[in-house]
Amino acid sequence: DAKTTQPPSMDCAEGRAANLPCNHSTISGNEYVYWYRQIHSQGPQYIIHGLKNNETNEMASLIITEDRKSSTLILPHATLRDTAVYYCIPGGGADGLTFGKGTHLIIQP
Amino acid sequence: GAVVSQHPSWVICKSGTSVKIECRSLDFQATTMFWYRQFPKQSLMLMATSNEGSKATYEQGVEKDKFLINHASLTLSTLTVTSAHPEDSSFYICSAAGQGAIPEQYFGPGTRLTVT
Repeated sequence: DAKTTQPPSMDCAEGRAANLPCNHSTISGNEYVYWYRQIHSQGPQYIIHGLKNNETNEMASLIITEDRKSSTLILPHATLRDTAVYYCIPGGGADGLTFGKGTHLIIQP
Repeated sequence: GAVVSQHPSWVICKSGTSVKIECRSLDFQATTMFWYRQFPKQSLMLMATSNEGSKATYEQGVEKDKFLINHASLTLSTLTVTSAHPEDSSFYICSAAGQGAIPEQYFGPGTRLTVT
């Protein structure tokens, strides 16, 4: 499994864009980058995934560098409900996920 | 997005008893389901992978005779913790993968198990 590096915590002001970085320099060519988040004492929530191209959905945008060694998750207008631990996970769709320590994002009012 | 439910949401049992946890995909068929557990202040750890109609594949260090997994249909998987002990107290979470070419996983809300 590819190893990931994420900052342990980040703060962001409510209404601003939250940019969460992830380094996954050992990702293999056929592995996607998945982003999930976990709000305290709940099951993780799927956010977005991508392979090479940047992706956008109703929740977030995912920017993947050309060499695929890192990516950034962007929450365009953060709200207090976005406070959670965010996990960046390389993997294939049919495999179990290996969760690292993630980034604890705290949205400040 | 797809919805996955778990039942019960929390359970307290006595040491030595068995507990069954159900995981259901409510609006899609899940070829593969996964079971994770999470201890306080730690990340989720994959326990096993369950494919409909076949035996589960367990991660290293997870006792298959203690954590019995059954995936009898495309919408239901069960995890039975047999002869539970206090060290089995944890947050158990299932996920279900769809049948698309690049299936993302959808997680249940989790089951909090406390063994006394």
